[in-house]
Amino acid sequence: AQTVTQSQPEMSVQEAETVTLSCTYDTSESDYYLFWYKQPPSRQMILVIRQEAYKQQNATENRFSVNFQKAAKSFSLKISDSQLGDAAMYFCAYWGTSYDKVIFGPGTSLSVIP
Amino acid sequence: NAGVTQTPKFQVLKTGQSMTLQCAQDMNHNSMYWYRQDPGMGLRLIYYSASEGTTDKGEVPNGYNVSRLNKREFSLRLESAAPSQTSVYFCASSGGRGTDYGYTFGSGTRLTVV
Repeated sequence: AQTVTQSQPEMSVQEAETVTLSCTYDTSESDYYLFWYKQPPSRQMILVIRQEAYKQQNATENRFSVNFQKAAKSFSLKISDSQLGDAAMYFCAYWGTSYDKVIFGPGTSLSVIP
Repeated sequence: NAGVTQTPKFQVLKTGQSMTLQCAQDMNHNSMYWYRQDPGMGLRLIYYSASEGTTDKGEVPNGYNVSRLNKREFSLRLESAAPSQTSVYFCASSGGRGTDYGYTFGSGTRLTVV
């Protein structure tokens, strides 16, 4: 069965610095999608970035980028120039094309220190 | 605005009471989901509906029932609420298997059972 692991329950970063959140997953599929979701204190779940497994190029959305290592089954999120509004819970997620539902990791709580 | 609408946003129940959480989406999505979120437990799938007319159990279905009323609406019912069902509940929708944009989430319902 597919699983998603986030080994860092909590992390902190100084404002304006860069932080990387880790995610690994287990799958036997070759075609799938990976996502990072952000959940701020408002509790709204927001899609931050997505990656298609067949694309070797790492996805980027403004200050957010990923390091996708397919062979290692690793999908880390890098946040550059961290801002106070980046403080949130971040969930890594996997969706195999043969499955009806997304598999979520347990989340990493990110604090931003002014 | 297009999206997923959940009602109510907050609810307090007494043990043994019943209630229905409502969810509606206007994105013409095929699939809909109910999750619960508890501290340290991440998101756990309660039930999902891959398409209109079908429903399936997720990880934690006990104590819940669902109805896919039509393509737009997917309700979650607690027949006899228990304190263990105190949680934040999220409804989500998607285009279905392998959709590359993942889920669109509702804003959540905070349920307290006393």
